Order: sequence, then structure tokens, then C-alpha cells
Amino acid sequence: AIQLTQSPSSLSASAGDRVTITCRASQGITSGLAWYQQKAGKAPKLLIYDASNLESGVPSRFSGSGSGTDFTLTISTLQPEDFATYYCQQFNSFPVTFGGGTKVEIK
Amino acid sequence: EVRLVESGGGLAQPGGSLRLSCAASGFSFSNFEMNWVRQAPGKGLEWVSYISSSGSSIQYADSVKGRFSISRDNAENSLYLQLNSLRAEDTAVYYCAKVGTYDVYFDFWGQGTLVTVSS
Repeated sequence: AIQLTQSPSSLSASAGDRVTITCRASQGITSGLAWYQQKAGKAPKLLIYDASNLESGVPSRFSGSGSGTDFTLTISTLQPEDFATYYCQQFNSFPVTFGGGTKVEIK
Repeated sequence: EVRLVESGGGLAQPGGSLRLSCAASGFSFSNFEMNWVRQAPGKGLEWVSYISSSGSSIQYADSVKGRFSISRDNAENSLYLQLNSLRAEDTAVYYCAKVGTYDVYFDFWGQGTLVTVSS
């Protein structure tokens, strides 16, 4: 199975900060990567698919980049509603796998 | 509006069984692949199972293979997950998730149903 390693596992930031989360795959997955946001007690929400495509309705401050084994989710200007846990997911091959998550907390 | 509503969760004993359901609406259910994803309390997301739009292709995570069974009824716009031989480590919120238009990412999720396995 393809393993996804997210870093950092948690971070503290202030509203207005630029935040970058990385996801590294144990083998190449071309652009078969998605990013999700999950708030406490809620279902995950799709942010980015195919590594860099912004899902409809998602604010443009979210962006994704990368291909192969190294991927990045960037929040350009952190908003109060962005404090949540973020997961990457690969769909290049079964079994589908998720990264361990990155919790973005208020500094 | 796409809606996915799970039901069927609850308390089960180790070795017991449960059947989860997911009622879909707001999209052409028979045209889309579906999945189950679970999340143990305080833990991350774990993919459980996939089923193609027709039901002819099915995949499982190794952790549930041989114990869980995914199915769908396109006439009823419903997705199912049969959970057998339950273990304590199966305790989780189970989400049904619709596959996106272009690939196996998940563009819509249900609210989840909690399965607790305990004696």
C-alpha cells in the first residue's frame, strides 16, 4: 500500500498567516492526490483534487501543488474558520490511503 | 443538493454483526462509484471499501477483507456495508462518500454513523 506522510502533524498559527502543509507519498502517484478539511464532529470536506484543482465553492486562498511523491497544500491568508485538521489522500491505486492529518491550531 | 444519510450504527458485541445503510439523493446515484470511510475516535481517516457504479467492481482494505461486504441498490439509491465478525478495533464513525466526477476522490460525505464494538 502507498503510505502518505504528512508534516507537520500539528502547527500553531495566527489569522493572516501563510500556512503550508506537505504530503509525501512512499511511491509516485502522478497527480492522484486530494486534500480535505475536517472540523471537530463534522465530516471531511473536499478542498483540492488532482493535486492542484480547487473544488467548486472552496475559497481561492487554498491551493495545492506537486506531483509524483511530493505535494503541498497552502493557505495563503489563514482565516478564523480555517482552524481544523487537514488530510491528504491518494487515489492513484487501491487501497486508497490517507495521510495522518495536520491539525492547524490558533496561536 | 447532494445528500448522503447513513444509518444502522450502534452497539455490537465482539464477533457480532451490523448492517449500515446510506441513502443517497440529489444526484444520479447509479452513475457514481461509492465508498465507505471510517474514523476511530480521536484518530485519522481510514478507507474501508469501494464499489463501482454497477456494483461489478469491489475493493476492500486489508483490515476488513473477509469480514465486511459492500453492496448497492441503484433502484433504491442506497449503499450498504455488512459488518461481520466485529472487533473492538472496528469501533469508529463510518462515512459513506461519493466519488468525484473524474477520479476516486470523495466530493460528498454523509454525516456518519457510529459503530461501537464492546462487550
